[in-house]
Amino acid sequence: GNSVTQMEGPVTLSEEAFLTINCTYTATGYPSLFWYVQYPGEGLQLLLKATKADDKGSNKGFEATYRKETTSFHLEKGSVQVSDSAVYFCALSDYPDSWGKLQFGAGTQVVVTP
Amino acid sequence: DTGVSQDPRHKITKRGQNVTFRCDPISEHNRLYWYRQTLGQGPEFLTYFQNEAQLEKSRLLSDRFSAERPKGSFSTLEIQRTEQGDSAMYLCASSRQTGTGELFFGEGSRLTVL
Repeated sequence: GNSVTQMEGPVTLSEEAFLTINCTYTATGYPSLFWYVQYPGEGLQLLLKATKADDKGSNKGFEATYRKETTSFHLEKGSVQVSDSAVYFCALSDYPDSWGKLQFGAGTQVVVTP
Repeated sequence: DTGVSQDPRHKITKRGQNVTFRCDPISEHNRLYWYRQTLGQGPEFLTYFQNEAQLEKSRLLSDRFSAERPKGSFSTLEIQRTEQGDSAMYLCASSRQTGTGELFFGEGSRLTVL
């Protein structure tokens, strides 16, 4: 079956540091890949997505590239801010018709200190 | 506020009691999803509706669980004869039938079964 594996947290960084959160997946077919973020006290929200191999999703300074050869979708940001402290979830969907049926990873908590 | 709203935000109940959660999606969204999230894990898909039709149910949704969306607007998720293992955050999300693949999540309803 489908699965998503992401690095365990918490990841603690200083402001302006470089952030990488690893995500690998197992899926049949050609899934779409997503990063969702959950800020403290808020609901999950879409951060970025990629729908086919070699696509790069980007938003708010975050980037992730869909790598089919390594089945990965690692999230990166060059200079984090305290406001980036949140839980980040990697997810996939491989049903073109019911793409809202997402398979999530366990989440990675990121803590950015001043 | 025109986001997804869920009620109640927190429910504490005794084992064996029935509980019901309500979700009000974004008004123009015809798809509605229920997910469950336990501590330290990512959300798990439970079921989804397109308008009033329930199109898919996960095997996680035992006979004690029932979801409805009677007029294609709000939805309810009822759990009968609650068990301690039902303790979790129940998340609702909505989306358009077609579009960017983005789900809009509510803040969730936390269930604690004593």
